[in-house]
Amino acid sequence: NAGVTQTPKFQVLKTGQSMTLQCAQDMNHNSMYWYRQDPGMGLRLIYYSASEGTTDKGEVPNGYNVSRLNKREFSLRLESAAPSQTSVYFCASSEAWGRAYNSPLHFGNGTRLTVT
Amino acid sequence: GQQLNQSPQSMFIQEGEDVSMNCTSSSIFNTWLWYKQDPGEGPVLLIALYKAGELTSNGRLTAQFGITRKDSFLNISASIPSDVGIYFCAGLRGGSQGNLIFGKGTKLSVKP
Repeated sequence: NAGVTQTPKFQVLKTGQSMTLQCAQDMNHNSMYWYRQDPGMGLRLIYYSASEGTTDKGEVPNGYNVSRLNKREFSLRLESAAPSQTSVYFCASSEAWGRAYNSPLHFGNGTRLTVT
Repeated sequence: GQQLNQSPQSMFIQEGEDVSMNCTSSSIFNTWLWYKQDPGEGPVLLIALYKAGELTSNGRLTAQFGITRKDSFLNISASIPSDVGIYFCAGLRGGSQGNLIFGKGTKLSVKP
């Protein structure tokens, strides 16, 4: 059981370049999330998908787009990367959306992105 | 937006010592969660708290949901080297995970 798998693990981009971060989960979870982690800032939600076919903005969505490709996969796209997007990006999934009880977030191991 | 104040920011302790950290907010939360992040990995859930006053243990870890619902505490007893990592609290006001707010983390270092 792989859990939540993120690719790539590391990426360096130049300002203005675009890229897509991939995330897949094999736990048959309904909800998926993208967070960014910056030093001293904790985790901040970028976008989430409560269920297949839906996506919504989180706390810091500017500069990003997402696609819930199917129940397993949720991708994050940077159309025109900026140095402020240098961060560690985490994908997470949970069984359910409407309740926090017994539906914890399961995180991937992150993608470390540097934008120069 | 909402903020969680997590303290201390970092701790350097000797193996065998007990550890305490806490999270406070100006807002009321219905759920408190504690996560641990090992270097190079994603956070992993340690303990979940759902009721004010609740005290829950997971091995050497004990967490409490504050009576005011504005704070939570995590204690680690008899620390060992593998306790090293960053501990995050997270609070949830409503039932949906999209409203989960994370603290900034407590970085724990343990000297053998």
